[in-house]
Amino acid sequence: AQSVTQLGSHVSVSEGALVLLRCNYSSSVPPYLFWYVQYPNQGLQLLLKYTTGATLVKGINGFEAEFKKSETSFHLTKPSAHMSDAAEYFCAVRIASGGSYIPTFGRGTSLIVHP
Amino acid sequence: GAGVSQSPRYKVAKRGQDVALRCDPISGHVSLFWYQQALGQGPEFLTYFQNEAQLDKSGLPSDRFFAERPEGSVSTLKIQRTQQEDSAVYLCASSFRRGRAEDEQYFGPGTRLTVT
Repeated sequence: AQSVTQLGSHVSVSEGALVLLRCNYSSSVPPYLFWYVQYPNQGLQLLLKYTTGATLVKGINGFEAEFKKSETSFHLTKPSAHMSDAAEYFCAVRIASGGSYIPTFGRGTSLIVHP
Repeated sequence: GAGVSQSPRYKVAKRGQDVALRCDPISGHVSLFWYQQALGQGPEFLTYFQNEAQLDKSGLPSDRFFAERPEGSVSTLKIQRTQQEDSAVYLCASSFRRGRAEDEQYFGPGTRLTVT
């Protein structure tokens, strides 16, 4: 079975500062990894994903994440936070299960951006 | 439509009532997922459809939960004899192809169910 751990339920940064949201996973097979963003009263939106190939993946809104197999991590970063980045962020892992790939989500990290 | 839609957006039910939650996926999307998101938690998988076939219902928490997608498009999640622990946001997501891990899932805005 797979699992996802997001360290820190809340992360607070100043506008313009580096954003780092941590995600560690466990999986017995090579995983597919995803980061989603959720704004209040909205569904989840895909930020980026890792499937195979290059371990540094770039996504929308200036976010990127690096797959580190040795550390079983997939941390999300953005060089400079913007007020509009304030939202809930979810890391997810997908492995094969019964004809599809059922995602397992972390508990989420709330990003707070203050002026 | 442009995206996945869900209705109603908000539902208040008294304990013991039955509820039905609707999901309209993006037209032509083969795969459809239902998730339950409790307050302060990430989404948890409930069930998966490939067209009209329910291929995985391992996440349904009890036999009070039932989902269908009879014509391979619109899906309904039904909860019978609702309990307070059923209070959550129910998310629907669809994706274009069948059973591909790398495929993006498009999420609806969710239905917030409150059981009193």
